[in-house]
Amino acid sequence: TQLLEQSPQFLSIQEGENLTVYCNSSSVFSSLQWYRQEPGEGPVLLVTVVTGGEVKKLKRLTFQFGDARKDSSLHITAAQPGDTGLYLCAGAVDSGGGADGLTFGKGTHLIIQP
Amino acid sequence: DTAVSQTPKYLVTQMGNDKSIKCEQNLGHDTMYWYKQDSKKFLKIMFSYNNKELIINETVPNRFSPKSPDKAHLNLHINSLELGDSAVYFCASSQLGVRQPQHFGDGTRLSIL
Repeated sequence: TQLLEQSPQFLSIQEGENLTVYCNSSSVFSSLQWYRQEPGEGPVLLVTVVTGGEVKKLKRLTFQFGDARKDSSLHITAAQPGDTGLYLCAGAVDSGGGADGLTFGKGTHLIIQP
Repeated sequence: DTAVSQTPKYLVTQMGNDKSIKCEQNLGHDTMYWYKQDSKKFLKIMFSYNNKELIINETVPNRFSPKSPDKAHLNLHINSLELGDSAVYFCASSQLGVRQPQHFGDGTRLSIL
């Protein structure tokens, strides 16, 4: 069973500050996805990383996949109140069927105070 | 147009009852999933189906029985509901492949009295 340790679980910072969320595992993943979930809604995909060492940017968000494909990070620059939400990392392992489902971290509740 | 829709959004029922949650996707995806999110927001895969066939059953009690009448639908029937079944259940769909993004419905909040 693959586990994803996500940290921190809770983070409250001031507008304009930078932050990093970490997702670590002892397992190798075929891909690592980051989702954002708003109250009363389902998770919405932010990015997928598939290659070890890959870095992807989405405006002020930077996502990195570790070289060994066991860990990932999400860095937000100059956080805005609109960034407030639950951030989830999710890993996928390819057992050959292509429909294994995702292993989720426990999430990071992020609050950006104006 | 809603891509992945679940009904009902809320379900409140007594312990011991049987209930069903329906899910439909209009994205043309072959693969559909059920996830359970607990009170601490932890999401865990329950089932995955590809082209109406069960692929993954993650040690879910057999009181839970998914059924896929066609590729666009994956319903979840739960027998003899227990207090521990209280959670938010999410349906999702994707193209086949572990790198494919999953599209989630808005969830069904199940509360057992």
